[in-house]
Amino acid sequence: DAGITQSPRHKVTETGTPVTLRCHQTENHRYMYWYRQDPGHGLRLIHYSYGVKDTDKGEVSDGYSVSRSKTEDFLLTLESATSSQTSVYFCAISESGGRGYEQYFGPGTRLTVT
Amino acid sequence: AQSVTQLGSHVSVSEGALVLLRCNYSSSVPPYLFWYVQYPNQGLQLLLKYTSAATLVKGINGFEAEFKKSETSFHLTKPSAHMSDAAEYFCAVSGSNAGKSTFGDGTTLTVKP
Repeated sequence: DAGITQSPRHKVTETGTPVTLRCHQTENHRYMYWYRQDPGHGLRLIHYSYGVKDTDKGEVSDGYSVSRSKTEDFLLTLESATSSQTSVYFCAISESGGRGYEQYFGPGTRLTVT
Repeated sequence: AQSVTQLGSHVSVSEGALVLLRCNYSSSVPPYLFWYVQYPNQGLQLLLKYTSAATLVKGINGFEAEFKKSETSFHLTKPSAHMSDAAEYFCAVSGSNAGKSTFGDGTTLTVKP
């Protein structure tokens, strides 16, 4: 199994509070991704990173920001959590940005915003 | 641009029966395609991938998929379902930028004893 951990694994927070989710990898892969998974929507890309301090937006980036100060860590921040951000969040890594490279996923973080 | 359509959000089969999960894709460039499986309360893991070598791709746990360009399809099959195959399955197509993939909405496979 790829060495990917996510923390916390479960979190309940109140509307309007900031939340930071952490993804940590031990594979030294250059590419890292944050997805959210909602019933009937599959996985949707929030943000991704192609190197330290190099990040870009995905298809559902509004209300989220990311940072990557080290190869192994990719942080996702909800600046002011809303109920629509209740979801399961997955981090993924990939060895390369080439099209034939698969992604390896972390175990997920279940976030509930009340 | 790429997109994936998985036909059937839920599929139910009996143990020992054929499994067929359907995936159709749209891609502006020759596609690279993946099937992932997600067991309850876990992340996704790769079942198999198509990267333009062979059109029939074999994966883990007895699954295989056939790339059909004329039908823009990449259906997943397994000859004989096992109870342990119960999971959610996702088809994905790889884009041309930064390894980003576009995922289908998923198909939940139920296996009845």
